[in-house]
Amino acid sequence: EAGVAQSPRYKIIEKRQSVAFWCNPISGHATLYWYQQILGQGPKLLIQFQNNGVVDDSQLPKDRFSAERLKGVDSTLKIQPAKLEDSAVYLCASSLAGSPSGANVLTFGAGSRLTVL
Amino acid sequence: AQKITQTQPGMFVQEKEAVTLDCTYDTSDQSYGLFWYKQPSSGEMIFLIYQGSYDEQNATEGRYSLNFQKARKSANLVISASQLGDSAMYFCAMREPWFYNQGGKLIFGQGTELSVKP
Repeated sequence: EAGVAQSPRYKIIEKRQSVAFWCNPISGHATLYWYQQILGQGPKLLIQFQNNGVVDDSQLPKDRFSAERLKGVDSTLKIQPAKLEDSAVYLCASSLAGSPSGANVLTFGAGSRLTVL
Repeated sequence: AQKITQTQPGMFVQEKEAVTLDCTYDTSDQSYGLFWYKQPSSGEMIFLIYQGSYDEQNATEGRYSLNFQKARKSANLVISASQLGDSAMYFCAMREPWFYNQGGKLIFGQGTELSVKP
């Protein structure tokens, strides 16, 4: 099966500019996640969707970050205006809906590397 | 709040030897899941192994095994017969109880960089 697709792979922008990242999850995966991974750190969840509804966006800086998942399939993460500290890899992941065992695995895309100058 | 700690920023191992990567976690929940992911220099996170909190036996997947010690709240990854291709970052992660939110987000540790020497 096709994996999680992300684009662009790399993006360089000036601070205060805007940027958008796109993610297409594995077909049939109801849950979609956006993680931010700063260099040298583990990934941190920004937002989680279940179908087209937001389940958790508690760590999303809502003054500058926004995300949507129209029609419950692909998703877009936007940053406007960007700050220097937003330089990171933005990872998209998807999974089947939750199961009682909790064993459903997150499958990650290759990530989008953002550099803010 | 849940927390994952990986205290080894970097590890070296000789090819064909076994290596243990440490992971401790903190949670007050009884139901949770523990995962290990590998992140090579290409950047993609690759799932390795899963252990549920109620699983009585340690999980194994090929050369990977998870040494689960519930009382100590540790979930160490053991890689047997290391290969050069095992050189990568390794992340331990914990899933919140699935009923907290559908799907259950993963909380990741800081990672351990493993280097396999020929």
